[in-house]
Amino acid sequence: AQKVTQAQTEISVVEKEDVTLDCVYETRDTTYYLFWYKQPPSGELVFLIRRNSFDEQNEISGRYSWNFQKSTSSFNFTITASQVVDSAVYFCALKVSGTYKYIFGTGTRLKVLA
Amino acid sequence: DTAVSQTPKYLVTQMGNDKSIKCEQNLGHDTMYWYKQDSKKFLKIMFSYNNKELIINETVPNRFSPKSPDKAHLNLHINSLELGDSAVYFCASSPEGQGFFIGAFFGQGTRLTVV
Repeated sequence: AQKVTQAQTEISVVEKEDVTLDCVYETRDTTYYLFWYKQPPSGELVFLIRRNSFDEQNEISGRYSWNFQKSTSSFNFTITASQVVDSAVYFCALKVSGTYKYIFGTGTRLKVLA
Repeated sequence: DTAVSQTPKYLVTQMGNDKSIKCEQNLGHDTMYWYKQDSKKFLKIMFSYNNKELIINETVPNRFSPKSPDKAHLNLHINSLELGDSAVYFCASSPEGQGFFIGAFFGQGTRLTVV
């Protein structure tokens, strides 16, 4: 069975602090994809990043970075120098190749205080 | 141009009514989905369609009936609405078997409130 765990329900930080959102996944399949989505207060789901299981390179996009480690089945997301606009619920998701289902974690609510 | 669009954005209706939510994507994707997000923000798949064919029906009550008239549309019809159906419903699409897999793109959601 596949599963995604986001153990942090809610995190509060002060603006300009760095914050890491944890994601642990479970699957026995060898080919899969991992995603992060952002859900701001307006409610839409915004695609942030996709990683496939054969690519463990870390990725940086501006203030965002992602650390994928197969050895610990983790795909963590770090926001550097957080801003109030980063306040949102962040979801980690897993999709196994050949299936038609994205499995979401329960989300982490990030509050960035001015 | 909105990639995945749902209508309506808000829907308030009485128990027992029948309602529909429409979804259209202009991304040329072959796969579309309906997800339900409950009050605790938990996102759970309801249905997935690939090339207009139902692939996944995730133990959804028979009152929910998806219809895909073509690859660009996946509508959701709900009969005899119940209080527990109140949630945000998201439509999504992705290019599953098309050689350029990126991920799923979601519509803006439809907030359904049953009173």
